[in-house]
Amino acid sequence: RKEVEQDPGPFNVPEGATVAFNCTYSNSASQSFFWYRQDCRKEPKLLMSVYSSGNEDGRFTAQLNRASQYISLLIRDSKLSDSATYLCVVIGNDYKLSFGAGTTVTVRA
Amino acid sequence: SAVISQKPSRDICQRGTSLTIQCQVDSQVTMMFWYRQQPGQSLTLIATANQGSEATYESGFVIDKFPISRPNLTFSTLTVSNMSPEDSSIYLCSVEVLADGGPAYEQYFGPGTRLTVT
Repeated sequence: RKEVEQDPGPFNVPEGATVAFNCTYSNSASQSFFWYRQDCRKEPKLLMSVYSSGNEDGRFTAQLNRASQYISLLIRDSKLSDSATYLCVVIGNDYKLSFGAGTTVTVRA
Repeated sequence: SAVISQKPSRDICQRGTSLTIQCQVDSQVTMMFWYRQQPGQSLTLIATANQGSEATYESGFVIDKFPISRPNLTFSTLTVSNMSPEDSSIYLCSVEVLADGGPAYEQYFGPGTRLTVT
């Protein structure tokens, strides 16, 4: 079983729609959680950290469910510029990062 | 956050040669990391490079193939030695910095070096 698993998508949504997807992790002792965004042929860029209470940054909302061992990302009012691959990153109790394979989101006009 | 630059941004190399990739950070950082990302896949950690000590390599990666230098707190190099086409990949360095307001750490990535081995 992979340490971090994501639905690869692609999620094809119209502009203005809401899109949400999850990431599951296998290590129950994982400590920190992040969502990164990676555009084609570019490096991953930190989108947001995910806190236990959940957090929101503009149109983006991230939540952590420790009981079920998943984190989620919700994007409201999708923009064309939101088209990207979203990487789930989990830091285990060994302080090492584990990356999901990414969820591809395509927002169409 | 941190601003990271890498050189070269891309290269095409012949089988059997070596390439050294440079990573420069705009601030002093303790932890620097080297990753590889093959087409369509996620990132794989090659090694962790701390200043003043030998790099720590992940399973499947060895120092003879991927020697790393970390001469100071803002700079590191990764060499891909005796290259084969299987080494064609994007190589990224990253650094760990304290998040604004702490106490958690966040990782930031350089723009990557796209390597093609023919």
